[in-house]
Amino acid sequence: KNQVEQSPQSLIILEGKNCTLQCNYTVSPFSNLRWYKQDTGRGPVSLTIMTFSENTKSNGRYTATLDADTKQSSLHITASQLSDSASYICVVTSNSGYALNFGKGTSLLVTP
Amino acid sequence: GAVVSQHPSWVICKSGTSVKIECRSLDFQATTMFWYRQFPKQSLMLMATSNEGSKATYEQGVEKDKFLINHASLTLSTLTVTSAHPEDSSFYICSAPSEGVNQPQHFGDGTRLSIL
Repeated sequence: KNQVEQSPQSLIILEGKNCTLQCNYTVSPFSNLRWYKQDTGRGPVSLTIMTFSENTKSNGRYTATLDADTKQSSLHITASQLSDSASYICVVTSNSGYALNFGKGTSLLVTP
Repeated sequence: GAVVSQHPSWVICKSGTSVKIECRSLDFQATTMFWYRQFPKQSLMLMATSNEGSKATYEQGVEKDKFLINHASLTLSTLTVTSAHPEDSSFYICSAPSEGVNQPQHFGDGTRLSIL
């Protein structure tokens, strides 16, 4: 069964600090891995997309890494801001098409 | 950039009412759209795949007569929750993919459905 596991489930950090979110998956065959940010009551917004051959991808203060051998990904947030408070969802797509396998998300709270 | 518009954003209605939710791709065509349901602090759960010009594909456990999907054009898909009951209260989100498998899915902002 294709699974996507995220950790931690929730995280509280001080404004300005860095943090790293983890994503482990068993989806096979693998097509790509995406990180989304979902604000409360809104739809998810794409942060990064990585294919098998990509090890790292950045989007501003967000940097995602991918180890396709160990089937692990991380999302690093640098110099956190209050607006980073949201749920971060890891989504893995298999080669079978557009079907997305969602993680349960990490709820991040950035406090002043 | 590509945008998916979802309407309405919030619906409150009485039990037994049917509710229609629209999902539009604003600057691109989408032959396929997806409908999800999300409970508080839970991940998105795929309900069905909407296909332009053909019947929708429903995930196991999703009642097709309860959740009617119509993909009438290349930019519009609708989800109708028929005879809604309190247990149907949830956050419903649609998405549409950009062309190409390794392109982002564009999500609507969701519809909060509350059945009294």
